[in-house]
Amino acid sequence: GESVGLHLPTLSVQEGDNSIINCAYSNSASDYFIWYKQESGKGPQFIIDIRSNMDKRQGQRVTVLLNKTVKHLSLQIAATQPGDSAVYFCAENWGGGSQGNLIFGKGTKLSVKP
Amino acid sequence: DGGITQSPKYLFRKEGQNVTLSCEQNLNHDAMYWYRQDPGQGLRLIYYSQIVNDFQKGDIAEGYSVSREKKESFPLTVTSAQKNPTAFYLCASSDRAGNTIYFGEGSWLTVV
Repeated sequence: GESVGLHLPTLSVQEGDNSIINCAYSNSASDYFIWYKQESGKGPQFIIDIRSNMDKRQGQRVTVLLNKTVKHLSLQIAATQPGDSAVYFCAENWGGGSQGNLIFGKGTKLSVKP
Repeated sequence: DGGITQSPKYLFRKEGQNVTLSCEQNLNHDAMYWYRQDPGQGLRLIYYSQIVNDFQKGDIAEGYSVSREKKESFPLTVTSAQKNPTAFYLCASSDRAGNTIYFGEGSWLTVV
């Protein structure tokens, strides 16, 4: 994710439209990626994951695309609904760090207009 | 229900006081984590534990302490040495380090 200080990037979409949320990850050795959804005042929820041997993975109304050449990850939400309004952030695991844990981006706020 | 339970949801601390946040999981996960989240910021790792009776410092461990005496429990103590403790604290677990992390609902800590 990109650093934007106290203000998250915001994506505003009309209900029923498709949403695309982007994430630039930091390490070319990362081999596992996850998207999380966080509603205000709640803990993050797992949405979908993808491993580096795949370019695309689909879930229910969501698709994750991975472009390893440019270290870019995207989350596509079809037919966006008001309940999709939340902060979305990606996480990467490059396994070689001293902790071998996930590194989280700062997130994008999705706002759905009825 | 399987999941991660954090308590309390809201906690107020006076300056100079230690407070402990509870985290319990019944997912049979080996690894547990504590993260701190500040407004508009990403998650920052405080401490993590890959197995009972073992834990490692994360990126911002100063002013915090943990214990892992049982597989299900990973309490976090915010000590008086933590100069800016007001934040949203998230506990998480995974079957092993590096795999998908699942989060609790978080605890809000405010210094008064």
